[in-house]
Order: sequence, then structure tokens, then C-alpha cells
Amino acid sequence: SQQGEEDPQALSIQEGENATMNCSYKTSINNLQWYRQNSGRGLVHLILIRSNEREKHSGRLRVTLDTSKKSSSLLITASRAADTASYFCATLHTNAGKSTFGDGTTLTVKP
Amino acid sequence: EAGVVQSPRYKIIEKKQPVAFWCNPISGHNTLYWYRQNLGQGPELLIRYENEEAVDDSQLPKDRFSAERLKGVDSTLKIQPAELGDSAVYLCASSSSRGRGEQFFGPGTRLTVL
Repeated sequence: SQQGEEDPQALSIQEGENATMNCSYKTSINNLQWYRQNSGRGLVHLILIRSNEREKHSGRLRVTLDTSKKSSSLLITASRAADTASYFCATLHTNAGKSTFGDGTTLTVKP
Repeated sequence: EAGVVQSPRYKIIEKKQPVAFWCNPISGHNTLYWYRQNLGQGPELLIRYENEEAVDDSQLPKDRFSAERLKGVDSTLKIQPAELGDSAVYLCASSSSRGRGEQFFGPGTRLTVL
């Protein structure tokens, strides 16, 4: 079974609105990463947040991490139609040395 | 800088046939990953290489799957014989030991087993 679980499974919003996706995990991590995947393509790394960080920004992306709740959120502000994609969180586990991906949130941004 | 290259992009075979996928990682990346991604799901790690050594192949179905990474650069993933349930996208990714764990993915090979 996958370590990370994204919520919601699917999200549909209008262009200009904000989109929030959540990720929960089970065991202690070194860092958590968010990736985007457009249909028929490979995954693209978006942002990485370390276990000792609480918030990270990159352009229109804002990621938070709450290690006490074992959860993270990805906020995309002022969404665009081009943001339509699946978004995955990946957790790098403390002792395993590998990342585990969730099943993703499918975001649809309507123009 | 060239990205991760995979070939072929698409492959259709009949069950019980063999199939092979090839991956060329980003130059200088010592870690290489093979993932399988089923429709509507996230990538699932099959095998991870550090240079030429397979350090994690716990999820690789060893009865029919094999992989190699000669000289610690290119890698090949093979399935023999293929089964209907092997239909999926096979993704290759690489990362640098000088990074923080960010993985760079290729476009994947979409395998259909009939």
C-alpha cells in the first residue's frame, strides 16, 4: 500500500480560484515532495519541504507541513487552465532511503 | 541539459511475450529508479539503483521481471513472460546524490498486454 494519501481524489475549480490539496502519511520522514503529472507525461518535481520546515513558497505554490499530524498541504493560488494535472505527494522516509508516492489528486481548472 | 530518456514510448504485445524498456538517466545522476504506474494511481517503486548496485528491489516480481544497469548509467527493465496485469506505464527516474532527493522523471513507456 502507498505511504502517502492525497485528498481529495479529484478537484474541479474555476480559473482564478485557489486549489488546496492535502497529503497524509504514516511514518517519520526526512522530507516531503510534491509532483505534477500532465496526462500522458512523466512527473515533474514542484517543491520539496524538509521535516524541520513548516512552510515553503515557490511562485504560486505554497506548501505546509505539520509533522505532528503527519500531513502536508499544497495550495495553488490564482489557478490557471494550464494547472490542470494530477498532483502527487512523495514522502522520503527516514530509515528507508526511498520515496513513496500517494495516488494523487486530479485537478481540473475550468477556463 | 537533456532530461531522462526512455524508449519505447508505447509497446503493445501479446501475453507470454517478452518485453524490454530502456532508460538513459540525466548525466551525472547516480541514482536510478524504475516505477510502475497503474491507471489512476501513483507510481510504485520496482527497483532503485545506486550506481550499478540494486539497493532496493523488494517490490520487483523477480519471477518474471529483471533489471540491469551496466556501468552505472543506462538501465534496462525486462518482463518475461508478460501477463495481462502487467499493462501499465513504466516510469524511469533519476536523482543526484548532491541533491535533496528530487527525482527527475522520463515520459514513461505505456505497455499494453493483450
